[in-house]
Amino acid sequence: SQQGEEDPQALSIQEGENATMNCSYKTSINNLQWYRQNSGRGLVHLILIRSNEREKHSGRLRVTLDTSKKSSSLLITASRAADTASYFCATDPGSARQLTFGSGTQLTVLP
Amino acid sequence: DGGITQSPKYLFRKEGQNVTLSCEQNLNHDAMYWYRQDPGQGLRLIYYSQIVNDFQKGDIAEGYSVSREKKESFPLTVTSAQKNPTAFYLCASRLLAGGSDTQYFGPGTRLTVL
Repeated sequence: SQQGEEDPQALSIQEGENATMNCSYKTSINNLQWYRQNSGRGLVHLILIRSNEREKHSGRLRVTLDTSKKSSSLLITASRAADTASYFCATDPGSARQLTFGSGTQLTVLP
Repeated sequence: DGGITQSPKYLFRKEGQNVTLSCEQNLNHDAMYWYRQDPGQGLRLIYYSQIVNDFQKGDIAEGYSVSREKKESFPLTVTSAQKNPTAFYLCASRLLAGGSDTQYFGPGTRLTVL
C-alpha cells in the first residue's frame, strides 16, 4: 500500500516561479526522502529529512517536516525548465526496512 | 564508473514466457530492491534482499522470483504466472552499514508483453 500521498498530482508553473509539493503519510517514520524522476529514467535522491528535523535546505530545495501532522513539503525555488520531472516522497520506518513511495507529483516548468 | 546497471533497457515478451531482468551494482551495497512502476503511478516493492542468499517478498511478489547468489547481482524473473507484467521495472541498492538511508536507482527496464 502507498504510505505517502503527494499533492498536487500535477503542477504547471512558469520558469522562475517557486514550486511547492506536499506529501502526507500515515505511520511513524525514521526519515522522509524526496526523489526525482525524469521521464523513463530511474529515480535520483534529492534530500532526506529525519524525524527530529523540521526543515532542511539543499541548494534551491527546501524541505519541511511536520511529524504531528504527518506531512512534508518540498519547495523548489526559482524553477527552471530542467526541473520538469516527477517528484516522489518516500517514507522510511527505520531498522533498515524498505522505503514506501507515494504516487508522485508531475511538475512541468514552462520556459 | 560506479553505479547500478540494468539490462536490457527494453524487453518484449510473448505471453506464457518467463523473462529475467538483470541488475548489477558495484557500489558494495548490502541491500538490493526491485520495484514495479505503472504509468502515472508510484513505485511498488516486489522483492528485496539485505544479504546474499536471502530475500524477502514485498507488496506485489506474486508472479515474480529473485535470487541473490552474489552481493553485486539481484536478477528478477517475471514468470508466466504474472498476469499483467507490462510495466517499468526499477532496481535499487542501499548501503546498510553506517546508517545510510538513501537508495540508489538503476535506469530501469521497460517490459512489454506482446
